[in-house]
Amino acid sequence: AQKITQTQPGMFVQEKEAVTLDCTYDTSDQSYGLFWYKQPSSGEMIFLIYQGSYDEQNATEGRYSLNFQKARKSANLVISASQLGDSAMYFCAMITTSGGYQKVTFGTGTKLQVIP
Amino acid sequence: DVKVTQSSRYLVKRTGEKVFLECVQDMDHENMFWYRQDPGLGLRLIYFSYDVKMKEKGDIPEGYSVSREKKERFSLILESASTNQTSMYLCASSLGGWGANQPQHFGDGTRLSIL
Repeated sequence: AQKITQTQPGMFVQEKEAVTLDCTYDTSDQSYGLFWYKQPSSGEMIFLIYQGSYDEQNATEGRYSLNFQKARKSANLVISASQLGDSAMYFCAMITTSGGYQKVTFGTGTKLQVIP
Repeated sequence: DVKVTQSSRYLVKRTGEKVFLECVQDMDHENMFWYRQDPGLGLRLIYFSYDVKMKEKGDIPEGYSVSREKKERFSLILESASTNQTSMYLCASSLGGWGANQPQHFGDGTRLSIL
């Protein structure tokens, strides 16, 4: 069975500092995808970054990077130069495909608060 | 950019009413999904669809049904709304195909209150 674990229910970071949000995963599949989503208080889920299980390079999207350590089954999100607008819930998710069907597993989320 | 549009951001209905939540995507995605999100429970999958007129139950389908008559539109139906269906509902879509571990793209969500 697939599982995503986010052990940090809440995090604080000073504006302009970098922050790492932890995510570990468990799956027996060889092929999978890992994602991070941002959910502001307004409720929409915003796709941030994607890492495929066979990708050798860590994914980066602007100020977001995904620190993918396959042997440790971790996919931590690093946000550089935090901004006040980064305050939100962040969800780690894993997607696998079995029998042609996608299965998505979400973590419980980390609430990030950026302090001025 | 992928655009997933949900018909309402906020909706208030009464117990026993039949409620329709509509979702439309503009990227020709094969896959569409309905989730509900509740504090402390995370996102839970209600129903999903991998093709027109095709539907599969997710983890919590009881009290819900879905309809997918056109590829771009996926509707969630609460047959007889109850107060325990008060929640945030999120629609998502993604590319299909075998081994397509592609991200799901979400709409803005509908905050549904059943009185």
